[in-house]
Amino acid sequence: QLQLQGSGPGLVKPSETLSLTCAVSSGSISDSDYWWGWIRQPPGKWLEWIGSIYHSGATYYNSSLKSRVAISVDTSKNSFSLRLSSVTAADTAVYYCARQPSYGKWYFNLWGRGALVTVSS
Amino acid sequence: QSALAQPASVSGSPGQSITISCTGTYSDVEKHNLVSWYRQYPGKAPEVIIFEVNKGPSGISNRFSGSKSGNTASLTIFGLQAEDEADYYCCSYADTPTHVVFGGGTKLTVL
Repeated sequence: QLQLQGSGPGLVKPSETLSLTCAVSSGSISDSDYWWGWIRQPPGKWLEWIGSIYHSGATYYNSSLKSRVAISVDTSKNSFSLRLSSVTAADTAVYYCARQPSYGKWYFNLWGRGALVTVSS
Repeated sequence: QSALAQPASVSGSPGQSITISCTGTYSDVEKHNLVSWYRQYPGKAPEVIIFEVNKGPSGISNRFSGSKSGNTASLTIFGLQAEDEADYYCCSYADTPTHVVFGGGTKLTVL
């Protein structure tokens, strides 16, 4: 069964760039019409969609984060990645990678375990 | 402040039914039949329990039911069980450039 595993530094300094990678296992990131997304959740708060990517590289971003976000895909490594620049304490959150069934199917039916990223000096 | 409004908490006794509301705008909930609901246990990733307003994924109990009227979506849980105690989030597709919005979450307590 396909699984997602996010990974990356757990601590990032203010003004630096947060980088996370989500590895897709037991399946191909290029399979079917899946889109792949990043969602975050600050401690004790609600979920926030960051953006989604197709294996071709097509992307959609949350307009409130678009100026700082870049999501990319590496089909050779069967993974996709998130970069969030100029981070502040407000970017401290658990970051989830997740799968959308297809474009137009705007829900997430498979989630990774989540990676806590703390922004602090 | 989250884009979709949910009650902060609801509660019910085992066997009862409860409904959680999710209020958005014309540009998200009302215009698009793309509302989904997620259940999240403490320290765990969310899990989809309803998609496209009223469809249930395989493996999810049919005690969960979704509906929509105007700009408000609802999740009803029939026959409450202790295992239903969790946080519940609604989500909707929204007009470009927003795309996806979540609710602020509702904590369900089973008394």
